[in-house]
Amino acid sequence: DAGITQSPRHKVTETGTPVTLRCHQTENHRYMYWYRQDPGHGLRLIHYSYGVKDTDKGEVSDGYSVSRSKTEDFLLTLESATSSQTSVYFCAIKVSPGGYEQYFGPGTRLTVT
Amino acid sequence: AQRVTQPEKLLSVFKGAPVELKCNYSYSGSPELFWYVQYSRQRLQLLLRHISRESIKGFTADLNKGETSFHLKKPFAQEEDSAMYYCALNNAGNMLTFGGGTRLMVKP
Repeated sequence: DAGITQSPRHKVTETGTPVTLRCHQTENHRYMYWYRQDPGHGLRLIHYSYGVKDTDKGEVSDGYSVSRSKTEDFLLTLESATSSQTSVYFCAIKVSPGGYEQYFGPGTRLTVT
Repeated sequence: AQRVTQPEKLLSVFKGAPVELKCNYSYSGSPELFWYVQYSRQRLQLLLRHISRESIKGFTADLNKGETSFHLKKPFAQEEDSAMYYCALNNAGNMLTFGGGTRLMVKP
């Protein structure tokens, strides 16, 4: 599992509340990613990080922000949760050195009511 | 821009039948392609990478640059193969582009 954990694993929250999801890795890899998984859309990249304090937007970044103050932690924040953000969120890492494949965390199932 | 298309959302076969999950991509350079598998409510796991030309759990995939395809095949499906399968493309950067996924159901 490449030492990747996510917390919480499940969360139910109300529309308009802020939510923070955490991704933690134990192997000090440089690249970390946040995806959302929705039926019919596969996985879509929200944000990614290429180092401490170095982040960039992905395909579906609106309504999300990220922070990476330590190599091992990558946080995803929904600033004001909406029902359209109900999804399963996966964190991933790219192992360095190595190829371009990514390894995924167990996922967080978020429901916004 | 790169794109990955998995034309079948659902593929249903009987145990022992051959399986082919289709993946087509659009990219002008030399892509690196992967297949990932996700068993029920679990994390995505890397199944195959095209550069390795390996066979994992009986699955193989060949990159066809002329047809821009990377179809996943298995000669005899097993019930435990039932899962969600994703094709993904890397453009020599540090990002992967995923297809929409195909759910494989293997019936007894």
